[in-house]
Amino acid sequence: NAGVTQTPKFQVLKTGQSMTLQCAQDMNHEYMSWYRQDPGMGLRLIHYSVGAGITDQGEVPNGYNVSRSTTEDFPLRLLSAAPSQTSVYFCASSYVTGASYEQYFGPGTRLTVT
Amino acid sequence: GIQVEQSPPDLILQEGANSTLRCNFSDSVNNLQWFHQNPWGQLINLFYIPSGTKQNGRLSATTVATERYSLLYISSSQTTDSGVYFCAVRNQAGTALIFGKGTTLSVSS
Repeated sequence: NAGVTQTPKFQVLKTGQSMTLQCAQDMNHEYMSWYRQDPGMGLRLIHYSVGAGITDQGEVPNGYNVSRSTTEDFPLRLLSAAPSQTSVYFCASSYVTGASYEQYFGPGTRLTVT
Repeated sequence: GIQVEQSPPDLILQEGANSTLRCNFSDSVNNLQWFHQNPWGQLINLFYIPSGTKQNGRLSATTVATERYSLLYISSSQTTDSGVYFCAVRNQAGTALIFGKGTTLSVSS
């Protein structure tokens, strides 16, 4: 299994540009989520999905869109990039059964907005 | 929502020393994970430990859910243990994890 994969690894955008961060998992997990990591802030939840066709907002959703058309893929779209979106973005998928919830992360995408 | 607090925020050790990292959470939880973020930024699962004690080599973890805390023990630390250690608990909706701000560990030789 490749686990959780993310592309690209690095990206530089100009203010106002749009782009999509790709995330895929091959573990057949229903739950997937996107986090951003900023210095001193830990990881903050942007959006999550509990299955194909079902998404919802997390703690910091403004400026981002998601969709989940398949179990495997969960792309994150930046609509109009702003310098405040400079961050490291992590995608995760989670194995959920009953009360058990175990999460696995992708390698991250480092985004700089100038 | 659930609050997750980790202590200490920073820890500096000499190689070979032992350490204990603490994670407190504000509400009862039935899920807790410890992660290590290495200096290259990768987030690695260490333990899934909603309760009880687990050991993996030099690392072990204990969660006392009724008292709302978890401890991560690192024995005989090595330079490769350096990085940031996060604990995370499942949110009340059961849909994602809430993270503490981490403990940054630096181990020098």
